[in-house]
Amino acid sequence: DVQVVESGGGLVKPGGSLRLSCVVSGLTFSDAWMSWVRQAPGKGLEWVGRIKSKRGGGTTDYAAPVKGRFIISRDDSKNTIYLQMSSLKSEDAAVYFCAWVGRVPSVMNSWGQGAPVTVSS
Amino acid sequence: QSVLTQPPSASATPGQRVTISCSGSNSNIGSNTVDWYHQFPGTAPKLLICDDNQRPSGVPDRFSGSKSGTSASLAISGLQSDDEADYYCAAWDDSLSAYVFGTGTKVTVL
Repeated sequence: DVQVVESGGGLVKPGGSLRLSCVVSGLTFSDAWMSWVRQAPGKGLEWVGRIKSKRGGGTTDYAAPVKGRFIISRDDSKNTIYLQMSSLKSEDAAVYFCAWVGRVPSVMNSWGQGAPVTVSS
Repeated sequence: QSVLTQPPSASATPGQRVTISCSGSNSNIGSNTVDWYHQFPGTAPKLLICDDNQRPSGVPDRFSGSKSGTSASLAISGLQSDDEADYYCAAWDDSLSAYVFGTGTKVTVL
């Protein structure tokens, strides 16, 4: 089974930065496409972005609300992807889920438990 | 604001069938496949249906998906109390170059 575990969530001030990590096991990580999805308190799911495998080009795609502020990267030697968030706003407060895209290009088959991010002064 | 519209709620009694609609446009449902996820309170979402009507391994055949034009539907037959959850449709949107989720539907078993 594929296991996905996020870490790095916490409290950050508006305008600040935070980096989330996501470790994946149970698959050939270098071939994996991965996504981030967030859910604000009491709200629905919002796709944040994805990173393709290096074989798939290694490129990233982002949702409009985070483009230019968030960066997704990967370290295949550590089976890990990262979500670097900067210029954080109150509306970025959410639980951030990392998910394995098991069916390329976008179907998310396995999800982590989520990392809560609070943006407050 | 989501580009895929779902009814906020749906309900039925145990054993009955409930259907959830998902309305989109030519740039998403009209040109790409639809996926469905469900989410129980306090937990991560789980994939229910992919590629319009394909059930991943382990998903009961009580769950079925369909699509026509720019709309899709999820049907749950033989409704059980365990099916109470939030349900989301999703699809890639070519205009936004993004994966978009529906507004979500809360299913209640009466």
